[in-house]
Amino acid sequence: QSALTQPASVSGSPGQSITISCTGSSSDVGNYNLVSWYQQHPGKPPRVIIFEVIKRPSGVSHRFSGSKSGNTASLTISGLQTEDEADYYCSSYAESSTFVLGGGTKLTVL
Amino acid sequence: QLQLQESGPGLVKPSETLSLTCTVSGGSLSTTDHFWGWIRQPPGRGLEWIGNIFYTGSTYYSPSLKGRVSITVDTSRNQFSLNLRSVTAADTAIYYCARVFLWLPPRWPDWIDPWGLGTLVTVSS
Repeated sequence: QSALTQPASVSGSPGQSITISCTGSSSDVGNYNLVSWYQQHPGKPPRVIIFEVIKRPSGVSHRFSGSKSGNTASLTISGLQTEDEADYYCSSYAESSTFVLGGGTKLTVL
Repeated sequence: QLQLQESGPGLVKPSETLSLTCTVSGGSLSTTDHFWGWIRQPPGRGLEWIGNIFYTGSTYYSPSLKGRVSITVDTSRNQFSLNLRSVTAADTAIYYCARVFLWLPPRWPDWIDPWGLGTLVTVSS
């Protein structure tokens, strides 16, 4: 069971859109629509922003959206704001009732 | 509103057992819709899933930690606990407990919410 692959860092300017990728395999991301995304600010626990690939929990901004193609899931943040600067992690169901997490992506809002 | 709180020693000696408890408040952990899980984060690094437990006691562990980890549940106290044996410095991390929503059927772990605030455990002599 290998960790999902995410870029170490991405950056964007306020108002722009960015996309973070999350690449797994046919044993996890590619075979199940159980991908979720988490936002973590420094010193805080993560909070879910996307679940089941495309769904947003109540209270999460519509600027956050998710998608999936094959073994790769993606998180898009539109209309970047300074408060979006944080670490982002993906997660997927990975057979036999296990989870696999991504290595995390640091988003910098320039 | 459901809340989770981790508790336990902040310092553990190498080769000993790390033991943490998660207390659930604002709701019961005896539900058929959720697992209860542990996730850790070494300082400055990414998240690592440790394992999940169902209120009946069924457990599911990360392959990389299986053999050293055990998770138990005490429904009368609304708590679940983590034991990690034979720890080394590599086990130094912030340990989070969390509620895990399930995809039903067939009861697969889906997404995690909420998380506890986390507790830092340092392994050092």
